[in-house]
Amino acid sequence: GAVVSQHPSWVICKSGTSVKIECRSLDFQATTMFWYRQFPKQSLMLMATSNEGSKATYEQGVEKDKFLINHASLTLSTLTVTSAHPEDSSFYICSARSQGDRMWPEAFFGQGTRLTVV
Amino acid sequence: GQNIDQPTEMTATEGAIVQINCTYQTSGFNGLFWYQQHAGEAPTFLSYNVLDGLEEKGRFSSFLSRSKGYSYLLLKELQMKDSASYLCAVRDVGDKIIFGKGTRLHILP
Repeated sequence: GAVVSQHPSWVICKSGTSVKIECRSLDFQATTMFWYRQFPKQSLMLMATSNEGSKATYEQGVEKDKFLINHASLTLSTLTVTSAHPEDSSFYICSARSQGDRMWPEAFFGQGTRLTVV
Repeated sequence: GQNIDQPTEMTATEGAIVQINCTYQTSGFNGLFWYQQHAGEAPTFLSYNVLDGLEEKGRFSSFLSRSKGYSYLLLKELQMKDSASYLCAVRDVGDKIIFGKGTRLHILP
């Protein structure tokens, strides 16, 4: 399988500040990356789909001005949580997939980032 | 709309067999996945079904019926380390993977 690296693993920030989370595909080119958010004891909720070189597609109810996504290269996507508030505290996970690769139909997940806003 | 249903919690005994069911109604269908997730960790891939039938991989098997919008994950010879959440997920249009709420499986000694 392929490797997706997500950084940082955890972060604590003050309310009102911004936090950037990086997602890298280490051994394949990820034409598409997905960002999920997971609250305790709940499932993964898709926030947005990120395609290299184009604007991200956000799911209904996700504020695109608050959750900035950049997918500038085939191996890196970033999620920036702007003006973070305590209710943004959650587990954020990215996943990546290389389209057209028949060997790997599944998406590979990063380790996740535990964000705590105080 | 998108809807993926699976039981919230299940309990089974070490060494036994357990079947976790999943039903789905999605706009499109390009495959169904099962992932395992331990608390505080990212999901790990277990299985993928795109055609009807049973896929077996060691102690884990997954079944799909596209006409019924139904899948199950079968875990045999349960071990304590199998205590985790099991997520049913469907690849929808646009390559999106939509997850169900997950089933928390508790294994008793």
